[in-house]
Amino acid sequence: AQSVAQPEDQVNVAEGNPLTVKCTYSVSGNPYLFWYVQYPNRGLQFLLKYITGDNLVKGSYGFEAEFNKSQTSFHLKKPSALVSDSALYFCAVRDSTGGGNKLTFGTGTQLKVEL
Amino acid sequence: EPEVTQTPSHQVTQMGQEVILRCVPISNHLYFYWYRQILGQKVEFLVSFYNNEISEKSEIFDDQFSVERPDGSNFTLKIRSTKLEDSAMYFCASRNDRGRQEKLFFGSGTQLSVL
Repeated sequence: AQSVAQPEDQVNVAEGNPLTVKCTYSVSGNPYLFWYVQYPNRGLQFLLKYITGDNLVKGSYGFEAEFNKSQTSFHLKKPSALVSDSALYFCAVRDSTGGGNKLTFGTGTQLKVEL
Repeated sequence: EPEVTQTPSHQVTQMGQEVILRCVPISNHLYFYWYRQILGQKVEFLVSFYNNEISEKSEIFDDQFSVERPDGSNFTLKIRSTKLEDSAMYFCASRNDRGRQEKLFFGSGTQLSVL
């Protein structure tokens, strides 16, 4: 079975400060990891993915995430937050070895960036 | 960027009625999905569809649910006899596996309200 945990329901950060949204995962095989963002009344939008290669992956809107195999984590980061980054962020995992082709999502973390 | 289109954006129905949610995936995509999100909860996998058949389904996807790709462009989710607990936002998604893109494109969703 594959699962994702996002331990924080909400993260508050001041504009211009760095932000981190946490994610840990569990899979039997090798993970494919993703971050998606959801703005109000919209579908999920892809931010970035880790498939293989460099542990630090860069994505849209200045976001990046670091794959840490020993800690089974894939935290989302941004060096300088913007008010427009305020949204709901979902981490997701797919087990690339025998896990089918579905993504399993976490419960989501509401990011609030304030002036 | 190409988009996944879902109709209607809102659907209100009486308990026990049949509903059909419609999706037009991106034209060269090969994998199709339905997910749902109950208000305030996580995004849950319902079913994946590939090569004109269901490739995987969750426990939620019981005999009341069915999917169809009737004409090579539309991808529909039918709920035969709706229950109150089927009220949720339903998202369609598609993916092109060429080049191991692994990126799911989501529609904006259909908000289903069962009264």
